[in-house]
Amino acid sequence: GAVVSQHPSWVICKSGTSVKIECRSLDFQATTMFWYRQFPKQSLMLMATSNEGSKATYEQGVEKDKFLINHASLTLSTLTVTSAHPEDSSFYICSASQGDASYEQYFGPGTRLTVT
Amino acid sequence: DAKTTQPPSMDCAEGRAANLPCNHSTISGNEYVYWYRQIHSQGPQYIIHGLKNNETNEMASLIITEDRKSSTLILPHATLRDTAVYYCIVRVHSGYSTLTFGKGTMLLVSP
Repeated sequence: GAVVSQHPSWVICKSGTSVKIECRSLDFQATTMFWYRQFPKQSLMLMATSNEGSKATYEQGVEKDKFLINHASLTLSTLTVTSAHPEDSSFYICSASQGDASYEQYFGPGTRLTVT
Repeated sequence: DAKTTQPPSMDCAEGRAANLPCNHSTISGNEYVYWYRQIHSQGPQYIIHGLKNNETNEMASLIITEDRKSSTLILPHATLRDTAVYYCIVRVHSGYSTLTFGKGTMLLVSP
């Protein structure tokens, strides 16, 4: 099956700093990428959907100025958490799909963010 | 909100079949039933999907009732590595459509 990678797998940052998480589709072109957040003992919550070359569509309650998403190429999307605070500590997971070319959505392994 | 309901947890003995139920009484005609699982601290893994016919692959079988209001995921011979949270999701069959995760079922496979 298709492979999606995330980097870094875990990161610790200080409160007030920004951190960037990368999501790459390794062997297919990802027309659409999705970003999820998962707090401990909770389910995945969709944060935003991004189509290559377009602005991301954010879910209700997700601050687009705080969670900057860039999907500049068909194999790379980035999520930047700006001015991170301890409450942003979470497990961030991306997924990628080929749009109309395939119904499947392939998930990355996730990035554990801890803000101190 | 998720359009499915699942039991919060289930237990299964290693080597036995695990049958995970899911209710989706409000499923639309163009929505498929998808199953994913998430092993602790990993990204979700696709298992299987179906529209109205029963489906089987190397991982599992999916049984969908005739009225499509419920389904059952069957792991024929559960192993310890099948311990995970299993999510049943209804979704339009398109790469553009989103996945709405509910709380899922925590399956614990014991020796």
